[in-house]
Amino acid sequence: DTAVSQTPKYLVTQMGNDKSIKCEQNLGHDTMYWYKQDSKKFLKIMFSYNNKELIINETVPNRFSPKSPDKAHLNLHINSLELGDSAVYFCASSLRGSGGALLLDTQYFGPGTRLTVL
Amino acid sequence: AQSVTQPDIHITVSEGASLELRCNYSYGATPYLFWYVQSPGQGLQLLLKYFSGDTLVQGIKGFEAEFKRSQSSFNLRKPSVHWSDAAEYFCAVGALSNAGNMLTFGGGTRLMVKP
Repeated sequence: DTAVSQTPKYLVTQMGNDKSIKCEQNLGHDTMYWYKQDSKKFLKIMFSYNNKELIINETVPNRFSPKSPDKAHLNLHINSLELGDSAVYFCASSLRGSGGALLLDTQYFGPGTRLTVL
Repeated sequence: AQSVTQPDIHITVSEGASLELRCNYSYGATPYLFWYVQSPGQGLQLLLKYFSGDTLVQGIKGFEAEFKRSQSSFNLRKPSVHWSDAAEYFCAVGALSNAGNMLTFGGGTRLMVKP
């Protein structure tokens, strides 16, 4: 059983296009994340959603719009793609809790989506 | 803000030799520390984590790491490396707050294994 899955695995597109990447987790987690890994393998968090609400937005251009229809899904839509958006995008999930019962749980990562903008 | 430094970008060891990958962190509170491994073309797999308690942590695939608060380090070790250990290794520090639950990663260390 795949815990965190992403589609597509590879995405090749032209500059200026709009594209989406989908992520699903079947771990029962309440928090999901998007990370970007650049060509030098540097990993940086982009967004975090807890129970469908945005809780972290790390100065990402507003061309990137995450959407969480439910706790098990976090999709990433990118408008007007630029060359610099080429990277591997990883989805992750964890159990965070809320209020006075916050947890720092292990984050489980999906296999990644390699986006190439031509 | 927290940060993580992995001083070695590349390391090459012979199969069967011991391994130590260095990780230094900067964080104002009690750190939550992780090591992940990324095989070529794959996602990140958790090797081990430190939240509290015993400072020597055992992980999967024969890896261990030792948390040393005085040195702000969380180095990863393995006594005998196998060819299948060739991969990219990432150290990360976790922060927990009402603003979110996020990991900050080091730049990674690429491990190559010589036969």
